[in-house]
Amino acid sequence: KNQVEQSPQSLIILEGKNCTLQCNYTVSPFSNLRWYKQDTGRGPVSLTIMTFSENTKSNGRYTATLDADTKQSSLHITASQLSDSASYICVVSWLGNAGNMLTFGGGTRLMVKP
Amino acid sequence: DSGVTQTPKHLITATGQRVTLRCSPRSGDLSVYWYQQSLDQGLQFLIQYYNGEERAKGNILERFSAQQFPDLHSELNLSSLELGDSALYFCASSQGGGQGGELFFGEGSRLTVL
Repeated sequence: KNQVEQSPQSLIILEGKNCTLQCNYTVSPFSNLRWYKQDTGRGPVSLTIMTFSENTKSNGRYTATLDADTKQSSLHITASQLSDSASYICVVSWLGNAGNMLTFGGGTRLMVKP
Repeated sequence: DSGVTQTPKHLITATGQRVTLRCSPRSGDLSVYWYQQSLDQGLQFLIQYYNGEERAKGNILERFSAQQFPDLHSELNLSSLELGDSALYFCASSQGGGQGGELFFGEGSRLTVL
């Protein structure tokens, strides 16, 4: 069964600290993996995309990693800011009978406190 | 601004009623997706349309239906509403018919069923 599991479910950190969010998936065959940021009550916005051949990709203070062998991805946030408070959603694309399909993780809710 | 427009932003109605949510995709995008997000829950995929045709179906209830019109805007119809249908409903769009591309989400329609 194609599943995407994220951990932790929620996380509280102090402003300026770093944190790492995890995403494990069982989908196959893998196409790509995206991390989305969703501010409370708003629509998700794509942060980064990882394809099979990519190990690391950065977008400002956000760095995503992908280990296709172990089917794990992480999102590392450096020097957190209050505006990083949001849900972070891991979305994996896989090749189904009807073409590329998506499976969403449940998200990690991050709260950055001053 | 993602370029995806959803109306209405907020909607309050009673059980048993019927509502219609509307979505205009980004210019040039042919696919429209509908997602449901209940309080503190992850995004649940409902249905995808590509260029006017149903492309993929998720956990959409029989009481719900959708369509995509020739101008590519889409409507999600929710009928015989129940308290449990209260949620944020997001529309997203992408260029192609496969689900491997980046999704651009609207700001959502918040439905409250009393």
